[in-house]
Amino acid sequence: DTGVSQDPRHKITKRGQNVTFRCDPISEHNRLYWYRQTLGQGPEFLTYFQNEAQLEKSRLLSDRFSAERPKGSFSTLEIQRTEQGDSAMYLCASSQGGSAPSYEQYFGPGTRLTVT
Amino acid sequence: DQQVKQNSPSLSVQEGRISILNCDYTNSMFDYFLWYKKYPAEGPTFLISISSIKDKNEDGRFTVFLNKSAKHLSLHIVPSQPGDSAVYFCAATSNFGNEKLTFGTGTRLTIIP
Repeated sequence: DTGVSQDPRHKITKRGQNVTFRCDPISEHNRLYWYRQTLGQGPEFLTYFQNEAQLEKSRLLSDRFSAERPKGSFSTLEIQRTEQGDSAMYLCASSQGGSAPSYEQYFGPGTRLTVT
Repeated sequence: DQQVKQNSPSLSVQEGRISILNCDYTNSMFDYFLWYKKYPAEGPTFLISISSIKDKNEDGRFTVFLNKSAKHLSLHIVPSQPGDSAVYFCAATSNFGNEKLTFGTGTRLTIIP
């Protein structure tokens, strides 16, 4: 397995445009997480899925943000009407979950969004 | 409200010596703790973790210590190598790792050759 992948790696967009990011988790992992990281901060939780069910959303996830994981495999994160404050690194992570001995979340390389 | 705190933004250590990175937490519900290493323009890479039922976990050059009464954990790297230079994040979660991670703000470790 090649690990968690994210696409695109970089995205530059103009304020007001919509953007969509994709995450492909490690294949046997049933949990998928989205985080956002800004300069000088640690990653901040946005939302997570167990299989196709979205189990929790952060208050950081305004109504302009939506995430899906339609078949319990890859996930998409869409930001509508982007604002300059949305500029950040968007990170995806996956984990095995359940009662296995290892719960660690494994991160992808991230998508860096710049809103101009 | 910063539930996970890394109070040292940076740390410089001579190659071959021990690096000690510290982390404090405030939420008593946290029961699983992880350390991640991050290089610029990459995602965080998992290093080592510890459950609240243990007070020490070791993996090669990396050892994590947990002091639950003080709500404090530390990562020891010995001996430190130049490739260890990176930003290190402490993270915590509950339900023994089945929940979201709460991260600290990171410590930039520089290993001096």
